[in-house]
Amino acid sequence: QSVLTQPPSASGTPGQRVTISCSGSSSNIGLNTVNWYQHLPGTAPNLLIYNKNQRPSGVPDRFSGSKSGTSASLAISGLQSEDEADYYCAAWDDSLNGWVFGGGTKLTVL
Amino acid sequence: EVQLVESGGGLVQPGGSLRLSCAASGFIFRTYSLNWVRLAPGKGLEWVSYTSSSGSTVYYADSVKGRFTVSRDNAKNSQYLQMNSLRAEDTAVYFCARQYGDKFCVTSSCDTYYYFYYMDVWGKGTTVTVSS
Repeated sequence: QSVLTQPPSASGTPGQRVTISCSGSSSNIGLNTVNWYQHLPGTAPNLLIYNKNQRPSGVPDRFSGSKSGTSASLAISGLQSEDEADYYCAAWDDSLNGWVFGGGTKLTVL
Repeated sequence: EVQLVESGGGLVQPGGSLRLSCAASGFIFRTYSLNWVRLAPGKGLEWVSYTSSSGSTVYYADSVKGRFTVSRDNAKNSQYLQMNSLRAEDTAVYFCARQYGDKFCVTSSCDTYYYFYYMDVWGKGTTVTVSS
């Protein structure tokens, strides 16, 4: 059981907008910023969003993040087939003194 | 090129030991904190350990505390994970990840600010299989 809660799956058709939620608590998301990662099997996880809604260079602006209280969400607009991957939220937990992750959301592009 | 390369994975029997290494290049290693994160088959990412830039501060996930020991050698640009008393549930791909942190000024005068952190560079991982 992951400390952060994400839906196990999400789906959309090309061009659509999808959102993935991430729910935490006062010791993690409530206190610290949320990061989002994209992971394709056999590769290194790729940082998509940090500090609420900042993107590393090379990440398309189709990806955006938001946070409110102890919850966060990742939005992907103009969905493309290459977006099919697993997505994880993460935050530092001040009570556990460690990073906590969501269980991951498998995004399918129909 | 900024890079992290893990090695040392393999097949080990339950109760056995293994030492993973993470070799860094392309950045000033001694100025960054590092983490180990694992991905078990059919599961999600799980944080394993953290070490500060000097190695003086380390944290572990409860699932590995007392069995795993993280260390680093800044002269060799390397991080290590000594894994003892291995269990079947430790079977996973183990990733080394660099941690970056910065200060964000909420106001222009920066009298209100907070720090944010993220893992920005990851290796491709090394596979550990614990099985008899």
